[in-house]
Amino acid sequence: GQNIDQPTEMTATEGAIVQINCTYQTSGFNGLFWYQQHAGEAPTFLSYNVLDGLEEKGRFSSFLSRSKGYSYLLLKELQMKDSASYLCVGIPGGYQKVTFGTGTKLQVIP
Amino acid sequence: GAGVSQSPRYKVAKRGQDVALRCDPISGHVSLFWYQQALGQGPEFLTYFQNEAQLDKSGLPSDRFFAERPEGSVSTLKIQRTQQEDSAVYLCASSLVAAGHTQYFGPGTRLTVL
Repeated sequence: GQNIDQPTEMTATEGAIVQINCTYQTSGFNGLFWYQQHAGEAPTFLSYNVLDGLEEKGRFSSFLSRSKGYSYLLLKELQMKDSASYLCVGIPGGYQKVTFGTGTKLQVIP
Repeated sequence: GAGVSQSPRYKVAKRGQDVALRCDPISGHVSLFWYQQALGQGPEFLTYFQNEAQLDKSGLPSDRFFAERPEGSVSTLKIQRTQQEDSAVYLCASSLVAAGHTQYFGPGTRLTVL
C-alpha cells in the first residue's frame, strides 16, 4: 500500500521548535520529499531524504528512517511566515508517481 | 529561466462546458505532471509525461479528462462536459529528469464549475 499519514493540524508559538511527523508503509516508498504550501499557492520544495538520518537546511531539518517508515520535519525558530501546510511526499522506487500526504496545517501564533 | 507557469489562473465554467488548462514547464525539464487538489487536501496525481509520451494516466478520474504534450514541452489538460465535482485547483509540476526527482510546481489553475 501507499498510505501516508501525518497530523491534520498543529499550532506552535513564534520562536519555538515544532516537529511534524509522517508515517508510511515501508513497502511503498524509497524516500520522502517535504513540501511547504501557503494557502492559495503552489507547493514549494523543502527537503529530500533517500538515506536514513537527518538532513539539515537552515531552520528546517528532515529525518528519515526507512526501516520504520517514519519521517519528520523539524522547524526551528518559528516565524509567522512559517504558517502553511507541510506535505509529506512518498518517492517510490524506479519510476512511479510520487504520492502526497494530505498535509499538516501549521499555525504559528505570537 | 522562469519557473512553471499555468494559464488561466482562474476559470469559471458552467456545468457541461469544456475547458482547457495550459502548463508551460521549466525549459529543458523532461517530466511533467498534472495534479488535482481539492480544498484542504494534498495534491492527487492525474497524469505524467516524459517528453511527449504520456507514461501514466491512471489518476485521470474519467474519460472526460484528457491531457497532451505533443512537442514535449507545453501541456494541456482538457476537461470535457465539466461537472461540479471537477471544481478544484489543477497543479502542473515539472522535473528535470524522472518522477523521483524534485518537482517544481506552477501556481495552479483554480477551476470553479457552476
